Amino acid sequence: EAQVTQNPRYLITVTGKKLTVTCSQNMNHEYMSWYRQDPGLGLRQIYYSMNVEVTDKGDVPEGYKVSRKEKRNFPLILESPSPNQTSLYFCASSPGQYEDTQYFGPGTRLTVL
Amino acid sequence: KNQVEQSPQSLIILEGKNCTLQCNYTVSPFSNLRWYKQDTGRGPVSLTIMTFSENTKSNGRYTATLDADTKQSSLHITASQLSDSASYICVVSAKRTGGFKTIFGAGTRLFVKA
Repeated sequence: EAQVTQNPRYLITVTGKKLTVTCSQNMNHEYMSWYRQDPGLGLRQIYYSMNVEVTDKGDVPEGYKVSRKEKRNFPLILESPSPNQTSLYFCASSPGQYEDTQYFGPGTRLTVL
Repeated sequence: KNQVEQSPQSLIILEGKNCTLQCNYTVSPFSNLRWYKQDTGRGPVSLTIMTFSENTKSNGRYTATLDADTKQSSLHITASQLSDSASYICVVSAKRTGGFKTIFGAGTRLFVKA
């Protein structure tokens, strides 16, 4: 089944404790992206990747890191999480960026205490 | 400033009724506009995608329209079902140097009641 998977789905952590949220897609898509979704706001892009080893900042990259060593994986790293990073995070992929429908993962609900 | 505004914020309708959701955007230069459906606690799922030259696109009971001159789009849902209860998100992509920028609206929360 074609899908985007994220792990973990739920995470409660404390300020400053490094964490990684994994994202994997099995559709051989070149483009992958991370978003955060907060109440009353639209999804905001954190980072995106056009292809392996090619990443770029989105609208809200502060406090996050990403890597794209393999085509299928695009982990999101929070080196020192803070409470303002409490949010719902979505990973998405698409064949390319232009005019392509994005396929979203199920989401990761992160709480930073 | 590139913005996507959706209205209403929320809407309650009875099962079987039709409804129309609105999306106004100031994104430029326009590339494409998409409508997504997002069930509570799940990732968005694509409903339609339209480029500049398209003004109507249907997907089952969902019909999206686009007026690129007035920078408005609408999503019409026909004969609503309980399973249509979800958030509907308008997304506009703009061309920019070296790639594209995607701007998401805050969504319209639709409640369909029996």
